[in-house]
Amino acid sequence: DAGITQSPRYKITETGRQVTLMCHQTWSHSYMFWYRQDLGHGLRLIYYSAAADITDKGEVPDGYVVSRSKTENFPLTLESATRSQTSVYFCASSVTNSYNEQFFGPGTRLTVL
Amino acid sequence: EDQVTQSPEALRLQEGESSSLNCSYTVSGLRGLFWYRQDPGKGPEFLFTLYSAGEEKEKERLKATLTKKESFLHITAPKPEDSATYLCAVDNQGGKLIFGQGTELSVKP
Repeated sequence: DAGITQSPRYKITETGRQVTLMCHQTWSHSYMFWYRQDLGHGLRLIYYSAAADITDKGEVPDGYVVSRSKTENFPLTLESATRSQTSVYFCASSVTNSYNEQFFGPGTRLTVL
Repeated sequence: EDQVTQSPEALRLQEGESSSLNCSYTVSGLRGLFWYRQDPGKGPEFLFTLYSAGEEKEKERLKATLTKKESFLHITAPKPEDSATYLCAVDNQGGKLIFGQGTELSVKP
């Protein structure tokens, strides 16, 4: 299917465990983004990537790691999950880094117990 | 500090009752203002991009306008299927979007 997909859609894990959220897009967009959405904070940028092997921090990067070995994939890893990382995570992609809309995936709801 | 504020936080309308949602922004160098619609349990869905003051865009019952300090999303004769959370975001530098907290719209038949 064309578009942007995320997996898993729901995940429950325990404090201290490593978790990887996957994001895949079929548009060959150069730019990809990870956001978290929390009540009272709206959407906040965690990390973004301009191209394969190029990543940079967003507003709330602490506790997260990203990689981008292929243009179409942009996984987000929580190396040691904490309860404060319980959130809904959205991946997005866009053609360029500016002036263009971002297209969002369906989200992953992560619960850290 | 760059900031986006949306009002009201929640809006309840009767079907056919037109209204407007507000997005006020403070950014150093606006590169674009974006409106998204978000349904419960789903990702934001792109609606409009506005680039300069005075610009307007329409899609069905929705019309977005932009001034130097704010944007309005006008909803004309809304239907229950227009119920959703509407998000506003600004691009201030290199594609880093700053989002407002959204307006939750409920349209009752």
